[in-house]
Amino acid sequence: QSVLTQPPSLSAAPGQKVTFSCSGSSSNIGNNYVSWYQHFPGTVPKLLIYDNDQRPSGIPARFSGSKSGTSATLVITGLQTGDEADYYCGAWDSRLNVMFLGGGTKLTVL
Amino acid sequence: QVQLVQTGAEVRRPGASVTVSCRTSGYTFTNFDINWVRQATGQGLEWMGWMNPNSGNTYYPQKFQGRVTMTRDTSISTAYMELTNLRYEDTAVYYCVRAFRGTAFGGHIDYYLHYWGQGTRVTVAS
Repeated sequence: QSVLTQPPSLSAAPGQKVTFSCSGSSSNIGNNYVSWYQHFPGTVPKLLIYDNDQRPSGIPARFSGSKSGTSATLVITGLQTGDEADYYCGAWDSRLNVMFLGGGTKLTVL
Repeated sequence: QVQLVQTGAEVRRPGASVTVSCRTSGYTFTNFDINWVRQATGQGLEWMGWMNPNSGNTYYPQKFQGRVTMTRDTSISTAYMELTNLRYEDTAVYYCVRAFRGTAFGGHIDYYLHYWGQGTRVTVAS
């Protein structure tokens, strides 16, 4: 069981908006920055969001992140079939001095 | 451009050891942590630890302590991850990852996994 809690799966139709949640604690999300990763099975994971809400170059504005307290959120708008992948949140834990990754959420685009 | 190139697939028997190498280029090797992350079949991503290539300091989560060792050769900008006493459940794809580490005002840690190697499949089979 991961310290950063994510729902195992989400589904939505093309064109819709989907919201991923990531719940942690004061020693990780509550006091440090959150990142998000996109992973298509069989390929290399990719950094999607860093510093809670920043997108690396090349990541479309349809992807956005935010943080409030000990929880973080990733939103995808204008959902596309090509967005079907696994999404992981991550944050440094200051108490344990480790990088935590959430268990991941599998997105299905119906 | 930043590149991390890993060794090819490996097959080992239970109880054996494996070393995966990660050759980096396109940046100053000693300026950024190297992390290792794995994904077993049907499982999520699992963080295995980090190494500071400048100092050689490492940190491993409790699950891997005693079995994993991360080292580096700064002369060839290459990081290594050795996993010993392999078990069937260690069958996975292993990734080396260049991380960004920063500390913001107030002591908030900014740490994320930025550039990923292509992955190395390690199969443990008898």
